[in-house]
Amino acid sequence: ETGVTQTPRHLVMGMTNKKSLKCEQHLGHNAMYWYKQSAKKPLELMFVYNFKEQTENNSVPSRFSPECPNSSHLFLHLHTLQPEDSALYLCASSQELATYNEQFFGPGTRLTVL
Amino acid sequence: KNQVEQSPQSLIILEGKNCTLQCNYTVSPFSNLRWYKQDTGRGPVSLTIMTFSENTKSNGRYTATLDADTKQSSLHITASQLSDSASYICVVSARRGGGNKLTFGTGTQLKVEL
Repeated sequence: ETGVTQTPRHLVMGMTNKKSLKCEQHLGHNAMYWYKQSAKKPLELMFVYNFKEQTENNSVPSRFSPECPNSSHLFLHLHTLQPEDSALYLCASSQELATYNEQFFGPGTRLTVL
Repeated sequence: KNQVEQSPQSLIILEGKNCTLQCNYTVSPFSNLRWYKQDTGRGPVSLTIMTFSENTKSNGRYTATLDADTKQSSLHITASQLSDSASYICVVSARRGGGNKLTFGTGTQLKVEL
């Protein structure tokens, strides 16, 4: 295991639902990330947090709302999603933001929006 | 525009055979290149990282090469096993102020059969 856990592993929701994805890292890292992985497309970076502060938001629609209460936990709150938001959502962490590329990934949450 | 292109898109080989995956990039200024292995239903796991001055790096049956002049990298898998069936993702890091920026390839889907 990589030391990064995500729950739930699978989620099916309607377009009017509100749900949250959770990520926890047990590595003592200071930076955490949310990615979206769609079929046959490269990973898309969504948000970056460093020491609980958001440092990057890559033009993500407001129906995705991240929350980072501490350096070990990261949430992604979902509301009024669209079917095209169905994808694998990956969380990752790295020791420091400066070592941006040395990331450890969680197993992902497979999201299906009906 | 920074881009990473991988080929082939998918590959099927027999167990015990060797194979080579390709990665071409236009990322600049180059910092390093990393190959990830992503098993189905799991997050990516780093296999190797290569910096500008490194030509070859091995990790067990995996050997990565880098030609920084032609901006090409390859991942060679020797004596393939069924457990090698996965998606292999090439990720190139570009230097920028305060850290690195990652560009992901779409991956090569490898299937090893009996």
